Amino acid sequence: AQSVSQHNHHVILSEAASLELGCNYSYGGTVNLFWYVQYPGQHLQLLLKYFSGDPLVKGIKGFEAEFIKSKFSFNLRKPSVQWSDTAEYFCAVNDYKLSFGAGTTVTVRA
Amino acid sequence: DADVTQTPRNRITKTGKRIMLECSQTKGHDRMYWYRQDPGLGLRLIYYSFDVKDINKGEISDGYSVSRQAQAKFSLSLESAIPNQTALYFCATSQGNQPQHFGDGTRLSIL
Repeated sequence: AQSVSQHNHHVILSEAASLELGCNYSYGGTVNLFWYVQYPGQHLQLLLKYFSGDPLVKGIKGFEAEFIKSKFSFNLRKPSVQWSDTAEYFCAVNDYKLSFGAGTTVTVRA
Repeated sequence: DADVTQTPRNRITKTGKRIMLECSQTKGHDRMYWYRQDPGLGLRLIYYSFDVKDINKGEISDGYSVSRQAQAKFSLSLESAIPNQTALYFCATSQGNQPQHFGDGTRLSIL
């Protein structure tokens, strides 16, 4: 099974700052890539997904992610965060089953 | 109504008790999954089922069992609960390799 690494455990930002969360997975082949978000007290929701095609994918709420095959990476970005982006973010990789990273807690200060 | 419904939402029980967590879906998806979430560990897969006759162990299946009673129902059992099974449990569904849809979770505390 894939091993998924998220680079940061906890990120603290001010509103309007840019956000980038790193994600690497352990081996190549055909994979589907996802970012999920979990707002406090809620279940996981899909932010964006990559299956094939353009390696720069756009998701909901202004998030985007870039797939770099040679680096086994799928980093999440948002140019300008809002207080409402405070949440836990999970990268996930699906080859024959979905493997999650440990998650990154993002705290946005107003 | 929620597409993926988990019951109960919260449960406190004692060591050694048998616990069943239930999951039902109205999305018509073929695949169903059980995960547990622990702080700093993300989500770890307990069991998954690609259809009614297919049950597979995930990365942390010891101490757990499952039953896929119908396409729409997938229950998770702890035969003899122990304190380190205290966690937040999520059920999820997907159609093939499409993104998974998660239930609201069951917070389980074992004393």
